[in-house]
Amino acid sequence: KAGVTQTPRYLIKTRGQQVTLSCSPISGHRSVSWYQQTPGQGLQFLFEYFSETQRNKGNFPGRFSGRQFSNSRSEMNVSTLELGDSALYLCASSSTSGNDNEQFFGPGTRLTVL
Amino acid sequence: AQSVTQPDIHITVSEGASLELRCNYSYGATPYLFWYVQSPGQGLQLLLKYFSGDTLVQGIKGFEAEFKRSQSSFNLRKPSVHWSDAAEYFCAVGPPSNNDMRFGAGTRLTVKP
Repeated sequence: KAGVTQTPRYLIKTRGQQVTLSCSPISGHRSVSWYQQTPGQGLQFLFEYFSETQRNKGNFPGRFSGRQFSNSRSEMNVSTLELGDSALYLCASSSTSGNDNEQFFGPGTRLTVL
Repeated sequence: AQSVTQPDIHITVSEGASLELRCNYSYGATPYLFWYVQSPGQGLQLLLKYFSGDTLVQGIKGFEAEFKRSQSSFNLRKPSVHWSDAAEYFCAVGPPSNNDMRFGAGTRLTVKP
């Protein structure tokens, strides 16, 4: 079974631009979560989508948004990029939202904002 | 509020030596606890998890962890470290109903030959 895939793997943008990151979960998984990883703040939860609905959201500004499609693929969008948005963005998928919430992580998208 | 503390930012051990990485959590109910490993430029790989039952949990790559409710700890151990274990290790806590996991700051492990 293929793992979680994220595209692109690397991205360079300039301040003020917007960016869209993509995540394809493991086949059959319906939950997709996004995390931001930076040296200063560590791993922080952005949001989770389940069956095309945002079910939980972390403490990030509205510039960070996402969506999930009917095939469970998810996209994350960041508008009006700031230097501090430079980070590794990790996507994780899990099969359900129940008690066995093991998440499988993708390799991440490294975003650099210049 | 749930939180995780990993007191050691960086640990160096010799190959073949034993390892213990510390993790303390704060959570209002029965926690779901995880240990992940991250190699440079890679995503996170689950080493082991604790949901309930036996407090000594066995994971992959020879790792184990022990849940101690009285100490709010979930320390990761390995009896004999290999050079390939050099990586960053993250402890995480998550509620049972959603995927909002909270991670510790991580412990970077260096293995000396």
